[in-house]
Order: sequence, then C-alpha cells, then structure tokens
Amino acid sequence: GNSVTQMEGPVTLSEEAFLTINCTYTATGYPSLFWYVQYPGEGLQLLLKATKADDKGSNKGFEATYRKETTSFHLEKGSVQVSDSAVYFCALSNQGGKLIFGQGTELSVKP
Amino acid sequence: NAGVMQNPRHLVRRRGQEARLRCSPMKGHSHVYWYRQLPEEGLKFMVYLQKENIIDESGMPKERFSAEFPKEGPSILRIQQVVRGDSAAYFCASSPYGTSAYEQYFGPGTRLTVT
Repeated sequence: GNSVTQMEGPVTLSEEAFLTINCTYTATGYPSLFWYVQYPGEGLQLLLKATKADDKGSNKGFEATYRKETTSFHLEKGSVQVSDSAVYFCALSNQGGKLIFGQGTELSVKP
Repeated sequence: NAGVMQNPRHLVRRRGQEARLRCSPMKGHSHVYWYRQLPEEGLKFMVYLQKENIIDESGMPKERFSAEFPKEGPSILRIQQVVRGDSAAYFCASSPYGTSAYEQYFGPGTRLTVT
C-alpha cells in the first residue's frame, strides 16, 4: 500500500541554521509528492509539490526533489528563521487525489 | 476568492450527542476531502466526495460517521453518539480536480471536544 515516513521531531535549530527533514515513501505507480506546513491552531498550507521524478519543488526558500530511485522527498532550507517554526507534513497522492500523510515533524527555531 | 470555510471552529459535545461539521469549499471546487487529526497523531484521510456522490470512504469508521456533499450547500460530516475518542481536529480540503497532481486547499479545521 501507500505510506509516508518522516523523521521524528521535534527538531530544534538556531536561526540561520540549515534544515533537512527527511521523508521517504512507499507507493505503487507514480504518485505526486507534497510538503504541507501547519502553524499552531491553523489548517495546513501547501509549501511545495512535485509531480514526477526529478522534479524540484521550491517556495519561500524551501526545496525538495522527487527522487524515485531512493523513494525520497527530503525538505531543505539553507537558513531558517524563527517564523519557520511549525509542523511540517510530507504527503503523497496516488489515486483519486486523497493525501497520505507522514506523522509530521515539529520544527522549533530559536533566535 | 474566499478560502475553504469550516464551521464551527470549536465544538463541544457530551458523550452520546451528535456532532455536525460543515465545510464550504473554495469557489469553483467540486471535490471535497475530510481528514482527522487525533492528538499526537498525523492526519488521516476519512472520505472523498464530489457533488451528491461519495467517491471514496475507505477511511471512515464503519459506524456512527457519515458524510454528504449535496448539490446545494456545504459538505457535512456527521458523527452520531459521539464518544471521547472522537475528540480531534477535523479538516476539510477542496480541489478543482480529483487527481493526484493537484494540491488541496485546507480549511482552518473544527476542533471537536467530547466531554
């Protein structure tokens, strides 16, 4: 079946540090991959997406590359800010559009 | 263009009561998805609906839960005879197309507390 595994949190970083949140997936066929972000008390916002192998999604300094050979979609940012503190969810969509989420990774950035 | 609307934002019910959660998709979106976020857990898919049709309800509990998306009006997630384990955040998302390539737009959620 389809599943997504993320690195466990919480992840605590200092401002301007480099961020990596690992995400691997299991899926049949050719899923689309997403990163969503959830700020406290809010719904999810799409951060970036990639719909085929080797695609790179990017937004607000965040990047992730769809790696079919390693079934991965790791999230990276070169220099995090305090405002990036949130919970990040990796997700895949395969058939019918329903999203399969990872367990979420809480990021805390300290000044 | 207003985003996805959900109401109420917070709902408190006693055990055995009914809970009705409403979701108005973005304008022009005819595909609605419901997800549940239990405490300390990730989001789990519940049901996918198009206007007047349930397309995929593979994530819905077999009993007490139902969903609809009528021709007119919002989508409704209904939980009958609520129990403490139903306490969670329920999120609705909408999309213009029901395919994997299109992102879903999420509402702010309804936080259900069962006392």
